[in-house]
Amino acid sequence: AQKVTQAQTEISVVEKEDVTLDCVYETRDTTYYLFWYKQPPSGELVFLIRRNSFDEQNEISGRYSWNFQKSTSSFNFTITASQVVDSAVYFCALSEARVNSGYALNFGKGTSLLVTP
Amino acid sequence: GAGVSQSPSNKVTEKGKDVELRCDPISGHTALYWYRQSLGQGLEFLIYFQGNSAPDKSGLPSDRFSAERTGGSVSTLTIQRTQQEDSAVYLCASSLASAGGGTDTQYFGPGTRLTVL
Repeated sequence: AQKVTQAQTEISVVEKEDVTLDCVYETRDTTYYLFWYKQPPSGELVFLIRRNSFDEQNEISGRYSWNFQKSTSSFNFTITASQVVDSAVYFCALSEARVNSGYALNFGKGTSLLVTP
Repeated sequence: GAGVSQSPSNKVTEKGKDVELRCDPISGHTALYWYRQSLGQGLEFLIYFQGNSAPDKSGLPSDRFSAERTGGSVSTLTIQRTQQEDSAVYLCASSLASAGGGTDTQYFGPGTRLTVL
C-alpha cells in the first residue's frame, strides 16, 4: 500500500505565483517523521525539512512554508512568490522506525514543478 | 565538510556483466541506506546498514544484488549478471542516527546512473 501520496504529478505556474504541493501519508505508528526533498534537474536529492509526529507547528523558511496536520494526515508544502529556480521535482517522504530497515524513507511519487518566467 | 559521494557517476554495461557501485558516506554517519530511482518504480528502498551490519536484505530486488559495508564507512552495491531492468539511478544516503535513537536527516549522494544495454 502506498504510504505517501502526492496526488499532483505536475504543476506549472508563472513566476511570482504561490504554489502548494500536497502530501498525504498513512501510518499506524505514533512516532514517525516526515520529510520534503527537492530534486533539481541536476538530479541530486536536496533535503528541505524534517518534522517529527509530535511537532505539529507549522514552519516557515524564507519563501518556503510547511503545514503539518495530523488530523488529515497531511504535510503540505507552499512556495510563496515562486521563482524559476524552484523548478524541480519535490518528494514527500515518511520514515518509521523498523528493526530491519532503520528509518528508511518511504517516498511519494513526486510532484514536478515548473515555474516559467 | 564533504557530503556523500558515489562512484562511478555513470556506468554503461552490457547485459550479463557484473557491476560494482560505491558509496562514501559522510564521516561519522553510522547509518547508510541504498535506494533505487527508476521511471516505473519511483524511489524505492533497497537496504540499510547500521555500522557494518545489514539486518535485512529482503529489499534487494533479486539474489543478483548484494551489498556490504566495511569499517563502518564505505559501502559497495554489487549487481551480478546485470539485466536491462536493472537500469536506474542508484542513490546512497547516510545519517547520524543509530537504530532506536530517533532518526536524523538522511543526506543523499549524487547517485550512479546505471544503463544496461
